[in-house]
Amino acid sequence: EVQLAQSGAEVKKSGESLKISCKSSGYSFSNYWIGWVRQMPGKGLEWMGIIYPGDSDTRYSPSFQGQITISVDKSISTAYLQWSNLKASDTAMYYCARHPSGYDRSPFDYWGQGTLVTVSS
Amino acid sequence: EIVLTQSPGTLSLSPGERATLSCRASQSVSSNYLAWYQQKPGQAPRLLIFGASNRATGIPDRFSGTGSGTDFTLTISRLEPEDFAVYYCQQYGSSPPRTFGQGTKVDIK
Repeated sequence: EVQLAQSGAEVKKSGESLKISCKSSGYSFSNYWIGWVRQMPGKGLEWMGIIYPGDSDTRYSPSFQGQITISVDKSISTAYLQWSNLKASDTAMYYCARHPSGYDRSPFDYWGQGTLVTVSS
Repeated sequence: EIVLTQSPGTLSLSPGERATLSCRASQSVSSNYLAWYQQKPGQAPRLLIFGASNRATGIPDRFSGTGSGTDFTLTISRLEPEDFAVYYCQQYGSSPPRTFGQGTKVDIK
C-alpha cells in the first residue's frame, strides 16, 4: 500500500529555518516524481515544486523559486521541503504528493496527510 | 503560466441533484492534461479525474469529466452526502507551475 507520512506540526518564529519531511512506503521511491503543495489558511492549493528522487532533478514554481529547497534522501525514501528564512506569510498547511509514474506530466495520485507550519512574527 | 478559473465559486444543491462544475484555462491545456481533485475539511485532496475524463482508481461512476482545450467540466450525476466538499482542477501539461484552479465549494442547500 502506497503511503506518504509527513512530519508533525511546527511552530516557528520569523527568520528561523525549517525542514519538514515526507516518508514514502509501498512503492519504489526512486522511480516516481514527488512534489509539494501549499494551502494557506482558508485558501486553495498552490503547486510549489517537484523532484525526481532517482537523480534529484527538481522543478520549482517561479513563485517559490529561491524561497524553498526541495530535496530527497533515497536511502530512507524521504522527501524534504525546507526554508532558511521563514516569514509569517509561510504559515500554511503543506502537502507532499506523488506522481503515478516517472513522467512528471501526470497528476498527483497519493497525498500525505499534511504538515501545518505556523510562523509568528 | 496557465491560469485556471473555476466557476461557480459555491454551488448549493440538495442530495440527489446533479452538480456541474466548470474549469476554464487561460490557454489550451496540452494533451488535455487536466485533473480534478476533491478535498473535504481537514483532509488532503483526493484525485478524482485525470486526463480530463479518466476516473482514478476507486472513484464512483457518478463522477465524470469532459472537455478539451480550454474548457473542462466535472459532473456529479447524483449528489451523495459524502460529495459535499471543495473541488479543484489542475493542469499538468505545461512547464511549471502545474497550476490549480481556485476551487468550487459544493455545499448542502
